[in-house]
Amino acid sequence: SQKIEQNSEALNIQEGKTATLTCNYTNYSPAYLQWYRQDPGRGPVFLLLIRENEKEKRKERLKVTFDTTLKQSLFHITASQPADSATYLCAPAMDSSYKLIFGSGTRLLVRP
Amino acid sequence: GAGVSQTPSNKVTEKGKYVELRCDPISGHTALYWYRQSLGQGPEFLIYFQGTGAADDSGLPNDRFFAVRPEGSVSTLKIQRTERGDSAVYLCASSSGGYQETQYFGPGTRLLVL
Repeated sequence: SQKIEQNSEALNIQEGKTATLTCNYTNYSPAYLQWYRQDPGRGPVFLLLIRENEKEKRKERLKVTFDTTLKQSLFHITASQPADSATYLCAPAMDSSYKLIFGSGTRLLVRP
Repeated sequence: GAGVSQTPSNKVTEKGKYVELRCDPISGHTALYWYRQSLGQGPEFLIYFQGTGAADDSGLPNDRFFAVRPEGSVSTLKIQRTERGDSAVYLCASSSGGYQETQYFGPGTRLLVL
């Protein structure tokens, strides 16, 4: 069955450093992958989408990579700020699928 | 503009009771989704509507769960004979309906079954 793995342990980093979050998937080949941010008590908020033919995508301080050989996506936040503290969810998806299948998320804590 | 809204924000009920959860999507969005999120987990897909019809209900856990969207806008998720294991946050999302479209989530309804 399809499996998505994100580091369940919280990532604790100092303000100004780069945060790197990992998303690994097995038993399927997604055509694209989305990253969402979720704050406590709120629904997920879309951040970035990367397609299988794209190696990397950037948006402001965010960068996502997608390696279909390793079956892995990396999510980077450069010059991290305490306001970046949240849970980050990845959701790889098939081309013909509307529904999102989420990983369990990784909690990021940025210390001032 | 207004985002996705969900009511109630919290619902406490007793085992065996019936509950309805409401979702108001973003105006003009044809696609609507229901997800369920347990503590420490990512959202889990339940059902997807395109317009008034349920295009994919493969995530509904059993026949106690049912959802409708009679006019292609507001949707109601209905849970019969609630069980303690149904306790979770129920999230609704909407999108403009194409493939790979961004889904916009509501704040969720926190359901607690005692």
